[in-house]
Amino acid sequence: GQNIDQPTEMTATEGAIVQINCTYQTSGFNGLFWYQQHAGEAPTFLSYNVLDGLEEKGRFSSFLSRSKGYSYLLLKELQMKDSASYLCAVRRILTGGGNKLTFGTGTQLKVEL
Amino acid sequence: DSGVTQTPKHLITATGQRVTLRCSPRSGDLSVYWYQQSLDQGLQFLIQYYNGEERAKGNILERFSAQQFPDLHSELNLSSLELGDSALYFCASSPENTMTAGANVLTFGAGSRLTVL
Repeated sequence: GQNIDQPTEMTATEGAIVQINCTYQTSGFNGLFWYQQHAGEAPTFLSYNVLDGLEEKGRFSSFLSRSKGYSYLLLKELQMKDSASYLCAVRRILTGGGNKLTFGTGTQLKVEL
Repeated sequence: DSGVTQTPKHLITATGQRVTLRCSPRSGDLSVYWYQQSLDQGLQFLIQYYNGEERAKGNILERFSAQQFPDLHSELNLSSLELGDSALYFCASSPENTMTAGANVLTFGAGSRLTVL
């Protein structure tokens, strides 16, 4: 099976930097994704890592260590609109060719003035 | 607009009833995925279809079924509804059934909110 852990809630200040951690255990690992979800809305894709290292995309960066089963999402220059749930998701390739993206329960980030 | 269209946006029904949720994937996407999101469970994977064929199954109840049609739209059928089935049901699509390199990012629709009374 799969196990994905991330903190339930975090609070940070506008303009600051925040790091959201995710640890996972899975077989057949084939990529780690971060999604942002505002309440009642669809999740939207932020980043993808399949190899170890850092991927940078504007104010957002994501890091992966496959040997440690660990990823983090780094958000810089926080804005009020960044208040949302951040979902860590792990992809497995299944026998028969299907792929399964399993989500963690999400980290609710609150950005304060 | 993500390009993934889900209907209806909201649905209220009674226990024991049956409903059908519909999803049209992004143009060019061959895979469709269904997820259920309830307050206490997070996003739960239900099922994946690729080009009309079932490819992966998650925690989908026997009361639920899905299919993907030749035009690639998909329907999720929920029957003998229970109060606990109240949730947001998301459809997502992706370009391919990946065994290849590449992100094959899932793009989500706006969801169908089901309320069972």
